[in-house]
Amino acid sequence: NAGVMQNPRHLVRRRGQEARLRCSPMKGHSHVYWYRQLPEEGLKFMVYLQKENIIDESGMPKERFSAEFPKEGPSILRIQQVVRGDSAAYFCASSPPSGRTDTQYFGPGTRLTVL
Amino acid sequence: SQQGEEDPQALSIQEGENATMNCSYKTSINNLQWYRQNSGRGLVHLILIRSNEREKHSGRLRVTLDTSKKSSSLLITASRAADTASYFCATGGSYIPTFGRGTSLIVHP
Repeated sequence: NAGVMQNPRHLVRRRGQEARLRCSPMKGHSHVYWYRQLPEEGLKFMVYLQKENIIDESGMPKERFSAEFPKEGPSILRIQQVVRGDSAAYFCASSPPSGRTDTQYFGPGTRLTVL
Repeated sequence: SQQGEEDPQALSIQEGENATMNCSYKTSINNLQWYRQNSGRGLVHLILIRSNEREKHSGRLRVTLDTSKKSSSLLITASRAADTASYFCATGGSYIPTFGRGTSLIVHP
């Protein structure tokens, strides 16, 4: 049973380009969470999604960031017109469809570097 | 904010010693979780303790929770070099755990 998978593991973009980060949850999990981690910092919640629904996006920047979790395929975190401040590790986590999350299982993360 | 804050920020010990990390939070919680993060890796879930529990064990890990003081501690006994990592507590109120900045543990062989 594969764990949470994220790709790419490392992504380098120039300022103004778009970054697309993918997350495939664990088998049987229908809840996905995205977090951002800056160096020497804890994880900051960004968005919580279920299939085809955004449940909570209170941690998402108002501009340039969007997330989706389609019926088929991985969850995508999209960052448009990236800036240097977007450089960080982005982690995805998933949990089973229990309706109330206790434990989240984390992927290895995508490290985004904006030049 | 329900954010957990770990203390100390950094801890350096010798192999075989015990390591204790603390976490404090501000509002009522349903549960508290501890995670480990090795350098450059994702988080690994270690243990969850619910608000009606006071102590929980898992191998060399012992977690306590004092809801009256809004604090938790993680004890790693007989530490090993492989325990070197950052440790985060995450407090759960609704469904989104809120992470602190972590304790960086270095275990010297």
